[in-house]
Parts: sequence; C-alpha cells; structure tokens
Amino acid sequence: GQNIDQPTEMTATEGAIVQINCTYQTSGFNGLFWYQQHAGEAPTFLSYNVLDGLEEKGRFSSFLSRSKGYSYLLLKELQMKDSASYLCAVRDSNYQLIWGAGTKLIIKP
Amino acid sequence: DVKVTQSSRYLVKRTGEKVFLECVQDMDHENMFWYRQDPGLGLRLIYFSYDVKMKEKGDIPEGYSVSREKKERFSLILESASTNQTSMYLCASSFPEQTSYEQYFGPGTRLTVT
Repeated sequence: GQNIDQPTEMTATEGAIVQINCTYQTSGFNGLFWYQQHAGEAPTFLSYNVLDGLEEKGRFSSFLSRSKGYSYLLLKELQMKDSASYLCAVRDSNYQLIWGAGTKLIIKP
Repeated sequence: DVKVTQSSRYLVKRTGEKVFLECVQDMDHENMFWYRQDPGLGLRLIYFSYDVKMKEKGDIPEGYSVSREKKERFSLILESASTNQTSMYLCASSFPEQTSYEQYFGPGTRLTVT
C-alpha cells in the first residue's frame, strides 16, 4: 500500500528552528509537496521537490532524498504565525497526490 | 492570483437530504478535485476531473457523485447525506498533473449531517 508518515504534533519556540520529517512509500514518485494549513483554512502551497537536495525559499527549506523515501521541511526564525499544520504529499506514478495526515506545529513564545 | 471559491463555509443538513457543494475556479485550470479532510487522516480524494464532462473516482467515491458541465465549475453531490459524511470538504484545481504545478485549494465547506 501507499503510505506517508509524519509526526502528529511538534512544539517549538519562537525564534528557533524546527525540522518536520516526512517518510513515504508510494508506487512510483513524481514529486513531493509541502503545504501549510492554518486551523479552519485551506492548505496553501509551500514547496515542491522532485530532485534530491535542498530547496530554499526564505525562512523555509525543503529537502528530498528519493533513495531513502524521505523529506523534511525546515523552518527557521520561527514566528507565532507559523503555528499551523504542515502537510506532506507525494505524487505517485499515476500522478495522484498521496497525502500525509499532517504535522501540527505549536509555537510557544 | 488564483482563486478557488466554494459555495458555503458552513452547512448543516439532515440525514437523507441531497446536498450540493459547488466549487468555482477562475484560472482556467483543467484539473479539479474534491477531497474530504477528517482529524488524524490525510486528505482523501473523493472524485476528480481532468476536463469538462469528465470524472474519475478517487479513493472514497461511495455515497458521492460529481458534475462538471463547465470548465470552471465542479460540483460535489451527496445523494442521501449520512452522519458519517460529516466532514470538511475541500475543492482544489490545478494545471495538468504532468507538470510541477501545485493544487490550489478553496476555503473549504464544513458540513454537518444531523
């Protein structure tokens, strides 16, 4: 079967760095997405990785290792507004998105 | 800016009612999707459409149907609502999947079936 694993919840301190991991087992791979979802709102796109390595976008970076079936989202200089759920999704061989359950990130002052 | 709108943010219906959820996108996207989101579960795909009048079943189509008569509009229909269909329903759209284009989501409809 296809599976995406992420931690259910993480807590971090304002101004710190946090890494949210995502491991996947899918039938084929055609890219990995990270989305941010604030409570009661729609998911919004953060990043896309299709090749191994690190993609940096401001305070957010996303890393992919296809051989390990592993990705992480790195958030630097955490702000209170970063409190949200972070969803990992993998596009499989049929170009369908398989979604993880999301990681709820709690930022404390 | 891509905009995906959904007809209602909150909806309360009774068991057995027929329910229509409407979704409209303004970016000429070919692909449109309906998901439901429940606590502790990932987004689950109900139906999707790659073109007008075209529809494909997702992972959990039972109890649902869809309609796409125009490119910008994708409707989800609950033929006879049941309490286990109480959920957050999210519509999304995108350009064809064979690219890196991400999906854009509407604000969601929180449906309660009593």
